[in-house]
Amino acid sequence: DQQVKQNSPSLSVQEGRISILNCDYTNSMFDYFLWYKKYPAEGPTFLISISSIKDKNEDGRFTVFLNKSAKHLSLHIVPSQPGDSAVYFCAAIAYSGAGSYQLTFGKGTKLSVIP
Amino acid sequence: EAQVTQNPRYLITVTGKKLTVTCSQNMNHEYMSWYRQDPGLGLRQIYYSMNVEVTDKGDVPEGYKVSRKEKRNFPLILESPSPNQTSLYFCATKKWGQAPDGADTQYFGPGTRLTVL
Repeated sequence: DQQVKQNSPSLSVQEGRISILNCDYTNSMFDYFLWYKKYPAEGPTFLISISSIKDKNEDGRFTVFLNKSAKHLSLHIVPSQPGDSAVYFCAAIAYSGAGSYQLTFGKGTKLSVIP
Repeated sequence: EAQVTQNPRYLITVTGKKLTVTCSQNMNHEYMSWYRQDPGLGLRQIYYSMNVEVTDKGDVPEGYKVSRKEKRNFPLILESPSPNQTSLYFCATKKWGQAPDGADTQYFGPGTRLTVL
């Protein structure tokens, strides 16, 4: 059962416009949500995160929104730039009492920003 | 410079020939993990280690072994590789504990592309 879902495998956006990447989750025990960015031939790199007690976190051009009731989060990139073209992974963290840490990734969305 | 290194970066091998992919980090991180990335399946965790001599299974551990004899190294071992283990493998590390701001991130290595014929 997939706990973190990215239902759009790909997205194309014009340079300068807004990119919106979506993610849904099923596990209500997730404590944090993260977005990773991955370029070809490189490992994923951390982009932005949000705690489950917040509904918005902003870092420059990147904003993540969390709607806990809908179990949905989204990443907004404004304005989109060609260098943003990459695969974006949504991920979620659950901590348990024994110090266990679970990081679960979605399948990724390939963003293409067209000049 | 903080680094996670993997070797080899590319490997073509044959079914049944034992191989090891090494992972080394210089950040003194307690937590290390292995993932595989497959088209349409995203990143799936194979094994993880919370500290030296402590390892546990992730979501897809079958056909893999790991060891954590020292903090900086976390090798991934395929005792008898099969074609369904053809994949892109990533090692990742993180400092143990919860970050107060939620930026509890893992640092990923550059990846190892493995082909099993």
